[in-house]
Order: sequence, then structure tokens, then C-alpha cells
Amino acid sequence: EAGVVQSPRYKIIEKKQPVAFWCNPISGHNTLYWYRQNLGQGPELLIRYENEEAVDDSQLPKDRFSAERLKGVDSTLKIQPAELGDSAVYLCASSSGLATDGTDTQYFGPGTRLTVL
Amino acid sequence: SQQGEEDPQALSIQEGENATMNCSYKTSINNLQWYRQNSGRGLVHLILIRSNEREKHSGRLRVTLDTSKKSSSLLITASRAADTASYFCATETSGTYKYIFGTGTRLKVLA
Repeated sequence: EAGVVQSPRYKIIEKKQPVAFWCNPISGHNTLYWYRQNLGQGPELLIRYENEEAVDDSQLPKDRFSAERLKGVDSTLKIQPAELGDSAVYLCASSSGLATDGTDTQYFGPGTRLTVL
Repeated sequence: SQQGEEDPQALSIQEGENATMNCSYKTSINNLQWYRQNSGRGLVHLILIRSNEREKHSGRLRVTLDTSKKSSSLLITASRAADTASYFCATETSGTYKYIFGTGTRLKVLA
């Protein structure tokens, strides 16, 4: 079974440029998460989708970040314009969404390492 | 914001020794999960313990949870070089489905 797929794996851009990350979750997984991981820190949730609905985007900096999950399958996270402080690894994860008690296992993709110059 | 704080931040041991790392958190939780992250495989789920459980085992892993102290520990027995990675705890507060990760413990197992 294929895992969570993310692309690109690495991206280097200049500040003020736009950038987009793509994620394809495990087939059949209803829940999709985007996290940001700064160097030496744990991942921090940006947004969580249940199917195509963003059910928690409270941590997403909405002035420059946007995300979509059309048709409830793959998802795109965009930053426009990028700032120096956006340099981080962006992780996508998915889970089945079947557990009703918060015990879903999240499966993570390899991440996209973004460097903003 | 990070809910969990792992301790120690870094740990270096010899192959065959046991490794213990701790996680402390701030608010009441529904469950706590441990993840491993290395450059080769990304973040991988290791084990989940519910708030009404005190101890769980999975292979060479043993996790304990003390809700009165708001802390958990992960014990890896008979460590191997392949266990070299960063280990994170992640807590879920009841009803939020939001997992908040700690700052991680970097484990190095020397062959």
C-alpha cells in the first residue's frame, strides 16, 4: 500500500515569491492534516480536513497561507508571499477518520523542506 | 504552541542499553502517542496510550502514563543503532482531534 505522497521534497525560493505543496493521502483516508515543523521542534498543526471540509484552521496564518482539498482526496497548501520565517519542513499526514475517540493513527508523508532566501 | 516537553533533549547510549525518555504536558488529555522521526522514514507512529491506561507494551517499547503528574515515559529496551532518531510525544485533548507535539528527544545509539 502506498503511503502519503508529498511533492516537491525540496523547494528553494526567494522571499515574496509564491510556493505550493501537494499531498496525496493514503487511499480511503478521510482526514488530512498539514503540519509545519521548524528546525529542532515538533510538528505544529496548520489545518485539518475531514473529507473536503476544513474543520480546524485556527493555526493557519490566513493572511498568506491557503489550503484546499478539492474532492476530498489530495490537497494543496500555498504560501503567498513567502517570508524568511516560513523556512521549515511542511508535513502532510492522513488518518482513516474512523475512530470516534481521537485515537486515529496519523500516517505522515516525507515532507517538503522549504528554504526561503 | 507546544504542549509537551520531552526530557532529555538529547541522549547518547551504547547499543544494547536501555533508553528512557520522558514527556510532560500541561492540560488534561484523552490520549498520548509516541512517534519516531529519522531522516530515512519521516515521522512514524509507535504507540498510543489512553488516559485511563497506565502502561502499554509493544515489542521493545514500554510506555507509561501518569495523569496525576501529567507525564509519560517511553522506554526502549536493548537499543539498536537503528533506533537512532528523534522521539516525540503527541497529546490529544478530548474532543479536539488535535494532536499537539512536544519538542522531541534526540536519541543516538552507538554501535
